[in-house]
Amino acid sequence: EVQLVESGGGLVQPGGSLRLSCAASGFTLSTYWMNWVRQAPGKGLEWVANIKQDGSEKYYVDSVKGRFTISRDNAKNSLYLQMNSLRAEDSAVYYCVRGFYFDYWGQGTLVTVSS
Amino acid sequence: QSALTQPASMSGSPGQSITISCTGTSSDIGGYNYASWYQQHPGKAPKLMIYHVRNRPSGVPDRFSASKSDNTASLTISGLQTEDEADYYCSSYTSSGTWVFGGGTKLTVL
Repeated sequence: EVQLVESGGGLVQPGGSLRLSCAASGFTLSTYWMNWVRQAPGKGLEWVANIKQDGSEKYYVDSVKGRFTISRDNAKNSLYLQMNSLRAEDSAVYYCVRGFYFDYWGQGTLVTVSS
Repeated sequence: QSALTQPASMSGSPGQSITISCTGTSSDIGGYNYASWYQQHPGKAPKLMIYHVRNRPSGVPDRFSASKSDNTASLTISGLQTEDEADYYCSSYTSSGTWVFGGGTKLTVL
């Protein structure tokens, strides 16, 4: 059974940093593109970033470029999102999502940026 | 990276059919066959319903179908059921190598 379990969310002050993790199981992580997608409270979905199977290509939504870094460790079956210089508008549930077709989603981890 | 355009809300009665539209540009929906649709119930993670414009993952009822014409993708739900009441989102690959979602459509089954 495919499982994606996010962790690392929490309350952080504006300008602070957080590192999200996603533990993958039930499939071979190294064979899939992986994504982070976020959803602000009461709002729609927003794609944040993705990373190729071997980590050689990474793409980001404009609003997080230069502040967020996506990475992966296939040996540890894990995906990461390093978030720096956090802003109030980054507050959202962050989902770890598998593949080019977004076929499996984790349950999400809540990030709240507030003073 | 502008969001794709979806109607904010739609409604239908059980047994009826509804079609949700998702409009983009030639740089996203119109340029690729990577339009997808997701269903999200309150408090739950989204679920993939359609990928590659018209393909249904295993387990998705055949009441759900989809198509694309020019820069617009469409999701049709036939024989509406009460459990279809949810938010629906479209997405597409873009010419920038990124992905974009629609704003979402809240479907009410009356």
